[in-house]
Amino acid sequence: RKEVEQDPGPFNVPEGATVAFNCTYSNSASQSFFWYRQDCRKEPKLLMSVYSSGNEDGRFTAQLNRASQYISLLIRDSKLSDSATYLCVVNIAPPGGYQKVTFGTGTKLQVIP
Amino acid sequence: GAVVSQHPSWVICKSGTSVKIECRSLDFQATTMFWYRQFPKQSLMLMATSNEGSKATYEQGVEKDKFLINHASLTLSTLTVTSAHPEDSSFYICSAEGQGTNQPQHFGDGTRLSIL
Repeated sequence: RKEVEQDPGPFNVPEGATVAFNCTYSNSASQSFFWYRQDCRKEPKLLMSVYSSGNEDGRFTAQLNRASQYISLLIRDSKLSDSATYLCVVNIAPPGGYQKVTFGTGTKLQVIP
Repeated sequence: GAVVSQHPSWVICKSGTSVKIECRSLDFQATTMFWYRQFPKQSLMLMATSNEGSKATYEQGVEKDKFLINHASLTLSTLTVTSAHPEDSSFYICSAEGQGTNQPQHFGDGTRLSIL
């Protein structure tokens, strides 16, 4: 089983739609979680951190469920410019050791006019 | 926000050449930097974790003698692809982690390496 799993998509949604992505992780020692956005042939850019209490940034809402070991990203009122690949990132920082960063394979979103 | 500079952006060179890529954190100190490789239509793959002042930790299947990593200061890590061949052509991206716990990665712009 992969350490971090995402549905690769593509998710094709009309403008204005609400879309949600899930990401599951296998290591219960995972400590921090992030969503990144990657446009075609570009580097990933941090979209938002994911906190246990859930957090919102404009049209984007991220949630963490430690019991079920998944994080989610909700995008409301989709814009054409939201079309990209969304990467889930999980960090494990063992005591006294170096951080291990694991990326999901990404979920491709295509917002259609 | 945190800025990571990666240089060069594009490299085209002949087979057998060694290529050096630099990754700098411009406005913060990075104890740990990461090097990734991404082939077309594939996800990022971690190659190695670069720790300031110590040897890099390589992922399984990544040849440490082929991909030399040096992290001599808190703001600079370098990746040297030695004796590059066409199969090494890829998009190489570095990232740097800010100091403190649970910090996100900040990515460089990436380097497109094409070996002829």
